[in-house]
Amino acid sequence: EAQLLESGGDLVQPGGSLRLSCAASGFNFDAYAMSWVRQAPGKGLEWVAAISDVADITFYAESVRGRFAISRDNTKNMVYLQMTSLRAEDTALYYCAKESAPWGKMIDSWGQGVQVSVSS
Amino acid sequence: DVQVTQSPSTLSASVGDRVTITCRASQSISRWLAWYQQKPGKAPKLLIYEASTLHTGVPSRFSGSGSGTDFSLTIRNLQPDDFASYYCQHYVRYPYSFGRGTSLQI
Repeated sequence: EAQLLESGGDLVQPGGSLRLSCAASGFNFDAYAMSWVRQAPGKGLEWVAAISDVADITFYAESVRGRFAISRDNTKNMVYLQMTSLRAEDTALYYCAKESAPWGKMIDSWGQGVQVSVSS
Repeated sequence: DVQVTQSPSTLSASVGDRVTITCRASQSISRWLAWYQQKPGKAPKLLIYEASTLHTGVPSRFSGSGSGTDFSLTIRNLQPDDFASYYCQHYVRYPYSFGRGTSLQI
């Protein structure tokens, strides 16, 4: 069973930066694409970014493109989300998520989420 | 980009009822649609993928249908554990998008 454990969440000022990490276990990590999905307080789910199994393809939501960067280290079974130029509207619970294929399929496992708060 | 519109936003029902939630895509997505269940304070869980395939371990009272632009999730014989929020999501191509969710309330 896939297990995903996020870390790195914090309270940060507008314009600041933060890096989220996700430790994966229980599956063949380098065979699956990974995504980040966020959920603002009391709101719905918003897909943020995805990275292919071997990290040769990435894609971003328009709302974060140019500010966020997704990466992975298949030697450590880790996926990261580097967030810069943070805004108040980036405040959310960020979920690390495993997709069901090397690229472009549904999410079949989720972490428990990590809180990011952007406020002065 | 493909958008998905989900309705209703809230739904009141009773144990034993049958309910249906709908999701409409802004363009054809074939059958590349998933449904997730989320309970308060918990991560979402995959229920259905490819519009109608039940994920492992999901009770058979859940069913999905549709193709192209119109999809639905039906839950029959509602159980107390089913009262939660439900989201549809397309994955025909990036960027993925989710419906705004349906809160299923007693």
